[in-house]
Amino acid sequence: GAVVSQHPSRVICKSGTSVKIECRSLDFQATTMFWYRQFPKKSLMLMATSNEGSKATYEQGVEKDKFLINHASLTLSTLTVTSAHPEDSSFYICSAIGEGKTRSNQPQHFGDGTRLSIL
Amino acid sequence: GDSVTQMEGPVTLSEEAFLTINCTYTATGYPSLFWYVQYPGEGLQLLLKATKADDKGSNKGFEATYRKETTSFHLEKGSVQVSDSAVYFCALSQGGGYQKVTFGTGTKLQVIP
Repeated sequence: GAVVSQHPSRVICKSGTSVKIECRSLDFQATTMFWYRQFPKKSLMLMATSNEGSKATYEQGVEKDKFLINHASLTLSTLTVTSAHPEDSSFYICSAIGEGKTRSNQPQHFGDGTRLSIL
Repeated sequence: GDSVTQMEGPVTLSEEAFLTINCTYTATGYPSLFWYVQYPGEGLQLLLKATKADDKGSNKGFEATYRKETTSFHLEKGSVQVSDSAVYFCALSQGGGYQKVTFGTGTKLQVIP
């Protein structure tokens, strides 16, 4: 089946640094990728939707200058958390949808997530 | 806007017990409904889905029926195993998954031997 790879799986860094998370579709071309954030004991919150070759669409309340999303190719999207602070610590998950004859019933394929800890 | 409400956990069951995790939704039109499972330290995996009223999604012994009259999509399994321990998310999408997905808060299931 379709596989989405997310890297790194875990990252710990100092406050003020920027962190890049990669999301790759391994066996299909992902026309649309989604980035979610999951708070402890909470559900996934959609942060943004990215389409290959165009600017990401951010959900209300998500700072686009804080969370930079680049979907440069049909197999790769990146999320960069700029000038990260402890409150940015969270579990970030990407998902992807590929091309197909019938797009309407395609489920999203999720990566395994990235645990980000800012000290 | 669209929303999904599912029962709070954690749910603790003995092995081979019957499982029900309740899920109700609020949405316009005819959304597609999903159950996702998240094992410890991993991302989400699609467990099952239903795209129209009265459809029954099933996978790995789990099943859920799309009930439009009660706006529900309860997850059931007749005999749970220790390996079923995970967090289960009910979700909906207006576009069958192509559009953004709205998730419930998740229900943690713990199955003890």
